Amino acid sequence: DVKVTQSSRYLVKRTGEKVFLECVQDMDHENMFWYRQDPGLGLRLIYFSYDVKMKEKGDIPEGYSVSREKKERFSLILESASTNQTSMYLCASSLLGLTNEQFFGPGTRLTVL
Amino acid sequence: AQKITQTQPGMFVQEKEAVTLDCTYDTSDPSYGLFWYKQPSSGEMIFLIYQGSYDQQNATEGRYSLNFQKARKSANLVISASQLGDSAMYFCAMRANAGGTSYGKLTFGQGTILTVHP
Repeated sequence: DVKVTQSSRYLVKRTGEKVFLECVQDMDHENMFWYRQDPGLGLRLIYFSYDVKMKEKGDIPEGYSVSREKKERFSLILESASTNQTSMYLCASSLLGLTNEQFFGPGTRLTVL
Repeated sequence: AQKITQTQPGMFVQEKEAVTLDCTYDTSDPSYGLFWYKQPSSGEMIFLIYQGSYDQQNATEGRYSLNFQKARKSANLVISASQLGDSAMYFCAMRANAGGTSYGKLTFGQGTILTVHP
């Protein structure tokens, strides 16, 4: 059974804190993704990775960084959290290829006070 | 750049009836894939159905079918015989074969909230 897990379902942080969101997949997928979901905006891609230590910016990378040291783990880092980063964060993974669907984790609802 | 538009913020349907959720897309790539996902109130994203740009027939998966009209650049989701459990947010998404490393990316629409009434 395919599985993508995220380290926390709910997280509350203060402005200026460094925040780590962890994502692990057990499907040996090459691709991993971080999205944020906001009402009325759908899902927007922050960063993605197609291989270990490789990363590419998505549509809204500002204020975020990522790390992929192992194939199964993809971390999203908020260097200095701000209130406008309060959102739902979704991690996903997929095999390479046009037809392969992405499998999503349960999401982390981050609140920055 | 790719773009997905879902113009219906919310839709209502009576149980056991069919409903169509609209999706239009824009891409200059000749090769692309279209996906629909369901997101219940619990938050997880559930893959429903896939249509490739070169597929000759419309995709079907159980009660879900995709009305693919390539010339109109539309990929509407049809849910037949609606059930109460179909109440959820539905997202249309596209992956274009832009070459290089970007072929894994999905571009999502804004979503449509479907409410099924008993």
